[in-house]
Amino acid sequence: GAGVSQSPRYKVAKRGQDVALRCDPISGHVSLFWYQQALGQGPEFLTYFQNEAQLDKSGLPSDRFFAERPEGSVSTLKIQRTQQEDSAVYLCASSYQPGTEAFFGQGTRLTVV
Amino acid sequence: DAKTTQPPSMDCAEGRAANLPCNHSTISGNEYVYWYRQIHSQGPQYIIHGLKNNETNEMASLIITEDRKSSTLILPHATLRDTAVYYCIVRVATDSWGKLQFGAGTQVVVTP
Repeated sequence: GAGVSQSPRYKVAKRGQDVALRCDPISGHVSLFWYQQALGQGPEFLTYFQNEAQLDKSGLPSDRFFAERPEGSVSTLKIQRTQQEDSAVYLCASSYQPGTEAFFGQGTRLTVV
Repeated sequence: DAKTTQPPSMDCAEGRAANLPCNHSTISGNEYVYWYRQIHSQGPQYIIHGLKNNETNEMASLIITEDRKSSTLILPHATLRDTAVYYCIVRVATDSWGKLQFGAGTQVVVTP
C-alpha cells in the first residue's frame, strides 16, 4: 500500500474486554512504532520494533498492554481487560531504517465504555 | 519535564505568513529541532528539521536563533489546509527517528 494502514479505524469495547489493534506498515519498512494519543494531548510513545525484535517497550503503561510483530511486518497491539483510561487514539508509524523519516497511519480510536 | 514550550493556539489569515514560535532553552548540542503537524483525524506529518542553520523546504522554513534556545517555523503563505496542531520536538540525532517526545503543540487555525 501507499501508506501505513491501521485497522479498525474505530473500536468500542466494554470495560474488561480484550482488544487487538492492527498495523500494516509501509512495505519494506524495518522500524515500527506505536503511540497512544489521549484527547487533546500529543502522541506518547509506547513501543518500538526493528524487524521482529521489540527493542523498546518503555512506554507501555501497564502489563495489560502487549505488542508483537512476529514476522517483521504486520504488528498487533493488544490490550487486555480494557479500562476507561485506555480510551485514546492508537497511532502506528513505520520507517525504512531507524535513522530515516517515520510515517504515521491514521490511527485507531478506541473507546472503552 | 517538557523540552519545548509552545503557545497553545494561534490564528492566521489565509495567504499570510504564519510564524510559530518554540522555546527549547535546555537544548543540548547534539539535539535537533523537528517540526511535525497533525491535521484533524490524521497521524502526525513531518515538516522540517534543523540543527543550527536555517532550513527551508517546499512546506516551510525553520529559523533557529544563534543560541539555539528558540526557533520559529514559518509557513510562508498559509492556506486553509494548514489548519492543524503543530508540534516542535527536540531529538538527539542518533535516536531512532520514530521515538519522538511530543508536547501539546500549537493549534493553528487559518481563517479565510
